[in-house]
Amino acid sequence: DTGVSQNPRHKITKRGQNVTFRCDPISEHNRLYWYRQTLGQGPEFLTYFQNEAQLEKSRLLSDRFSAERPKGSFSTLEIQRTEQGDSAMYLCASSGIQGGTGGYEQYFGPGTRLTVT
Amino acid sequence: GQSLEQPSEVTAVEGAIVQINCTYQTSGFYGLSWYQQHDGGAPTFLSYNALDGLEETGRFSSFLSRSDSYGYLLLQELQMKDSASYFCAPRQTGANNLFFGTGTRLTVIP
Repeated sequence: DTGVSQNPRHKITKRGQNVTFRCDPISEHNRLYWYRQTLGQGPEFLTYFQNEAQLEKSRLLSDRFSAERPKGSFSTLEIQRTEQGDSAMYLCASSGIQGGTGGYEQYFGPGTRLTVT
Repeated sequence: GQSLEQPSEVTAVEGAIVQINCTYQTSGFYGLSWYQQHDGGAPTFLSYNALDGLEETGRFSSFLSRSDSYGYLLLQELQMKDSASYFCAPRQTGANNLFFGTGTRLTVIP
């Protein structure tokens, strides 16, 4: 078990371009979360998957954002028509049954740092 | 809605004990998690309290009072490597996510 991995680790894009990030959770974990973190702030919840079903979305997840987890394993987060305000660290986390009800024990990946110029 | 209050910064001496307080407001409450995050790193899970009282894990302990909507993280025998940001994260009933505030930046000095 190598933990949660995310790719790419860094992404620089121009405003208006689309970007896609990938998250590979810990293999036996059925719960997957996306968060966004900006400097000096804590992680802000974006969306939650249980297996392949997207069960919860934050109001932060505008219609430019879409996330998928097609086979209940890896997940992708796409941002369309990026804006400078999208610049942040995008974190993925996963949890399993041992993470308790609602996944209070989440394992985070290293994140993808997005810079929109 | 949800709100969290933690001190923004704490400085303590190596070998000392430090307590990081957290007060929260949520509509429904399951429990309180604590996470550590080093600069440039990912958050890592430290502890969880679902019931009132103290949970001890090595040098770290966490306390919860549900009636007071209050918890704290106690770090003993501070080491330089404990310099990091610490987040309390309550989980609301019916929610599948954790709510992180702005956290407390702990600086351990020699």
